[in-house]
Amino acid sequence: KAGVTQTPRYLIKTRGQQVTLSCSPISGHRSVSWYQQTPGQGLQFLFEYFSETQRNKGNFPGRFSGRQFSNSRSEMNVSTLELGDSALYLCASSWTVGGETQYFGPGTRLLVL
Amino acid sequence: AQTVTQSQPEMSVQEAETVTLSCTYDTSESDYYLFWYKQPPSRQMILVIRQEAYKQQNATENRFSVNFQKAAKSFSLKISDSQLGDAAMYFCAFKTSYDKVIFGPGTSLSVIP
Repeated sequence: KAGVTQTPRYLIKTRGQQVTLSCSPISGHRSVSWYQQTPGQGLQFLFEYFSETQRNKGNFPGRFSGRQFSNSRSEMNVSTLELGDSALYLCASSWTVGGETQYFGPGTRLLVL
Repeated sequence: AQTVTQSQPEMSVQEAETVTLSCTYDTSESDYYLFWYKQPPSRQMILVIRQEAYKQQNATENRFSVNFQKAAKSFSLKISDSQLGDAAMYFCAFKTSYDKVIFGPGTSLSVIP
């Protein structure tokens, strides 16, 4: 069974631009979570989607948004990029919400210049 | 609010020896899940081991085992017969049902040949 896939793997943007990252979960998984990883802040939770509904949201500004499609694929969007948005963005999927183990994708490395 | 603490930012172990990584957490919940994830230089997060809080028996997975002390809110990871491929960042994580995963700051493990 294929793992979690994320596209693109690398991205370079300039301040003020917007970006969309994509995540395809493991087949059959209906929950997708997004995390931001930076050297200074570590792993921070962005949001979680289940059955196209946002179930949990972290403490990020409204510039960060996401959605989930009927096939469980998810996208996250960051508008008006700032230098501090440079990070590794990780997506994780699980069968459902609750205590299910999350399986991570390889991440998208975003550099904002 | 739940918090996860890993007091050892860096650790090293001789190849074939045993090492223990520490993790403590703070919660008022009685039902939750604990995880150890490994992140090698490739940045792919890999599940190492999982523990349900309601289970008294410590989880084991080949060379990896945990010492789960619920009353002390401690969840340490023991790696036996350390191998060069074990070198990575290790994250302790906490989750209650229907809530987000909270990660600790990580412990960087080096394996000395």
